[in-house]
Amino acid sequence: GAVVSQHPSRVICKSGTSVKIECRSLDFQATTMFWYRQFPKQSLMLMATSNEGSKATYEQGVEKDKFLINHASLTLSTLTVTSAHPEDSSFYICSAEDRTSSTDTQYFGPGTRLTVL
Amino acid sequence: QKEVEQDPGPLSVPEGAIVSLNCTYSNSAFQYFMWYRQYSRKGPELLMYTYSSGNKEDGRFTAQVDKSSKYISLFIRDSQPSDSATYLCAMSSRNTPLVFGKGTRLSVIA
Repeated sequence: GAVVSQHPSRVICKSGTSVKIECRSLDFQATTMFWYRQFPKQSLMLMATSNEGSKATYEQGVEKDKFLINHASLTLSTLTVTSAHPEDSSFYICSAEDRTSSTDTQYFGPGTRLTVL
Repeated sequence: QKEVEQDPGPLSVPEGAIVSLNCTYSNSAFQYFMWYRQYSRKGPELLMYTYSSGNKEDGRFTAQVDKSSKYISLFIRDSQPSDSATYLCAMSSRNTPLVFGKGTRLSVIA
């Protein structure tokens, strides 16, 4: 299957700092990428849909000024958690959609564990 | 009623058992159905993809979709300890975001 990478895999930061997470599709072009958040033993919660070259679409209750998304190329989307606070600590996972395939399948990155002290 | 319902488990089975995992859904527009496997602290990995109704088999895994009942299943034959993970069903209609179930935690005991 297609490969999606995420960097960093783990980050610990102080409260008030900003953290950038990168999501890359390694062997296909992804016009659409998705950002999810997952709390322990919970399912994935969609935060936003990122379309290359346009503004991201945020789900209800997700602050767009808090979670900045940039999808500057067909293989890279970034999520920046601005002024992070301890309640932002979570597992953040991106996925990329391979629309060249007939299945419109989403492939997930390995996730980034964010801990805000 | 939630769009996708999935029993969170945990489900514990002995090695070699046949495992049955299920999801029900309410949106009749769904036509793409997927099963993902997620190991602890890892991203979900696509296991099976099915379009519309029917069965699909891949090795020890069989996915079934019954659109008339709005019910999908994943069967794992000859289960192994390495199958221990959380299994997430997911579904969507064309060009819409995936809707996930809560995931079922499976433990296969050697």
